Amino acid sequence: ETGVTQTPRHLVMGMTNKKSLKCEQHLGHNAMYWYKQSAKKPLELMFVYSLEERVENNSVPSRFSPECPNSSHLFLHLHTLQPEDSALYLCASSQEVSGGGRVETQYFGPGTRLLVL
Amino acid sequence: AQKITQTQPGMFVQEKEAVTLDCTYDTSDPSYGLFWYKQPSSGEMIFLIYQGSYDQQNATEGRYSLNFQKARKSANLVISASQLGDSAMYFCAMREDTGGFKTIFGAGTRLFVKA
Repeated sequence: ETGVTQTPRHLVMGMTNKKSLKCEQHLGHNAMYWYKQSAKKPLELMFVYSLEERVENNSVPSRFSPECPNSSHLFLHLHTLQPEDSALYLCASSQEVSGGGRVETQYFGPGTRLLVL
Repeated sequence: AQKITQTQPGMFVQEKEAVTLDCTYDTSDPSYGLFWYKQPSSGEMIFLIYQGSYDQQNATEGRYSLNFQKARKSANLVISASQLGDSAMYFCAMREDTGGFKTIFGAGTRLFVKA
């Protein structure tokens, strides 16, 4: 596997279900991200992990719970979701260099299309 | 305040012709990076090209080039010799050096390449 992979690619769940999205990066990066992409809205940053520590949490409801067990893996645990949470969830990674003098590029996975019924 | 503006919701281009996708941005940070991503219908966000605010030359990557006009705060993407496979959504994005890990994305432009 190369790049950033995400599983599952598609997910349908009821509002009372619990499910998890998985992301794995094979790029040796030290930062990982979760984004939400809803129809007709710009990409929204949800969570950022740097060196396995959560460094950003952009007012995301508690029904979304991220987990980063190591620098290569990132999970998004879902429970009691609402229909408006239906969206494409994208994972990304980047190699952050302290004092590097340039902002780093984020590389994305293929996304998980989530439908909440 | 909206920091990335893409004014073209949709664009058509004839195969083999060049097309320019517009992007303007707003920042007070002197150090920032500008990115273009392509998103086909499959959903994956594919990185195309990067321009740093201190770069003296416009970035180029194969058929992609970035027309960077710093004073006008514009970072237009030029695709030369369009191919049918270029049909996709294109997103302009910016990351400020003092903005932490946040990359801000525009609303996107859908490009249709006609045979």
